[in-house]
Amino acid sequence: AQSVTQLGSHVSVSEGALVLLRCNYSSSVPPYLFWYVQYPNQGLQLLLKYTTGATLVKGINGFEAEFKKSETSFHLTKPSAHMSDAAEYFCAVSSNTGGFKTIFGAGTRLFVKA
Amino acid sequence: GAVVSQHPSRVICKSGTSVKIECRSLDFQATTMFWYRQFPKQSLMLMATSNEGSKATYEQGVEKDKFLINHASLTLSTLTVTSAHPEDSSFYICSAGPTSVETQYFGPGTRLLVL
Repeated sequence: AQSVTQLGSHVSVSEGALVLLRCNYSSSVPPYLFWYVQYPNQGLQLLLKYTTGATLVKGINGFEAEFKKSETSFHLTKPSAHMSDAAEYFCAVSSNTGGFKTIFGAGTRLFVKA
Repeated sequence: GAVVSQHPSRVICKSGTSVKIECRSLDFQATTMFWYRQFPKQSLMLMATSNEGSKATYEQGVEKDKFLINHASLTLSTLTVTSAHPEDSSFYICSAGPTSVETQYFGPGTRLLVL
């Protein structure tokens, strides 16, 4: 079975500050890990993903995440927050043995203050 | 990237009626599609896995007779909410991925409001 835990349902940062959204996963098989962003009343947009290879993955809009197997973590970061980053962020896990069924974390709402 | 569409984007219906939601993969074939439900300010909960040419696989606690899923072709899956009630009001999202590719592409979602 797989699961995802996102620490912090709400995160507030100032514009220009570092963004750090935390995600820990549990998986009995090699995981595929994802970060998605969702704006109000919209679907999900893929920010980045880790499948195999390089553990530091870069995504769109300046976001990146690092897969740390020893810590079972996949935290999302961005060096400098922008007002347009305010949204809901979901960490997710899947695997090829699970038919790519995706399990989502509870989500973290990011607020960006001017 | 791959595109997944959903129709309708919003639907309002009376209690007791049935509502059909379509999920289409526009530029690839998908043997498997997934249906999720999202309540306000909550995460996505997987409802079922839709398999082309066979029965859907439902997650525990999801009523298969209430949420009918049909995967008629490699590009279309439908979710029918039968005898809808106000508690079925939610945001329904589908996803699909090309065969052997690990990334799922999500549709824009369908907002269902049952009065």
